[in-house]
Amino acid sequence: SYELTQPPSVSVSPGQTASITCSGDKLGDKYAYWYQQKPGQSPVRVIFQDTKRPSGIPDRISGSNSGNTATLTISGTQAMDEADYYCQAWDRGLWVFGGGTKLTVL
Amino acid sequence: EVQLVESGGGLIQPGGSLRLSCAASGFTVTNNYMSWVRQAPGKGLEWVSVIYTDDSTSYADSVKGRFIISRDNSKNTMYLQVNSLRAEDTAVYYCAKHEYGDYEHFDYWGQGTLVTVSS
Repeated sequence: SYELTQPPSVSVSPGQTASITCSGDKLGDKYAYWYQQKPGQSPVRVIFQDTKRPSGIPDRISGSNSGNTATLTISGTQAMDEADYYCQAWDRGLWVFGGGTKLTVL
Repeated sequence: EVQLVESGGGLIQPGGSLRLSCAASGFTVTNNYMSWVRQAPGKGLEWVSVIYTDDSTSYADSVKGRFIISRDNSKNTMYLQVNSLRAEDTAVYYCAKHEYGDYEHFDYWGQGTLVTVSS
């Protein structure tokens, strides 16, 4: 079965850039999606089809996907960005999530 | 405005059954792929099951043969019948709507309903 791998945690200082990676076999040949989940809340879509942002998501959040790695980048990170982030892809009829990355804004 | 409201969770003994509900508003469930996604305490997201627009269904291997997804068009509601429950099924169960035109992901999520399997 298809697997997506994320680092368990990433730390960033306020105002700096955070990058969260998601690795999977030939992931660049698929679309990557990203969700943000804050404690006690439901996941929220922040990136779809590799690079697109839903309405209401700030443009300091961006995505890329190439080769075996998709990356979620948050520029000018703010305290409100502290959350768990999950990547997701679709593979042969199954919806697959990465294990999640806890972003800490120090 | 799209809304998804889950209900039906609770404390259940191993081997027991529950029916989870997901009441939708702001769109029609029959016109969209709809899924259940669960999250064990302190763990990540796990896709569980999908019901397609043609009423066909698919399940994760971990629940195949024990869970049944369905919907009631007249109530605009989706269900998940969870049977033969095990401790490892303990999780918050979210219903999620697939984006119309891009079924590969979920554009709206409910608030979740907690299922706790314990004696």
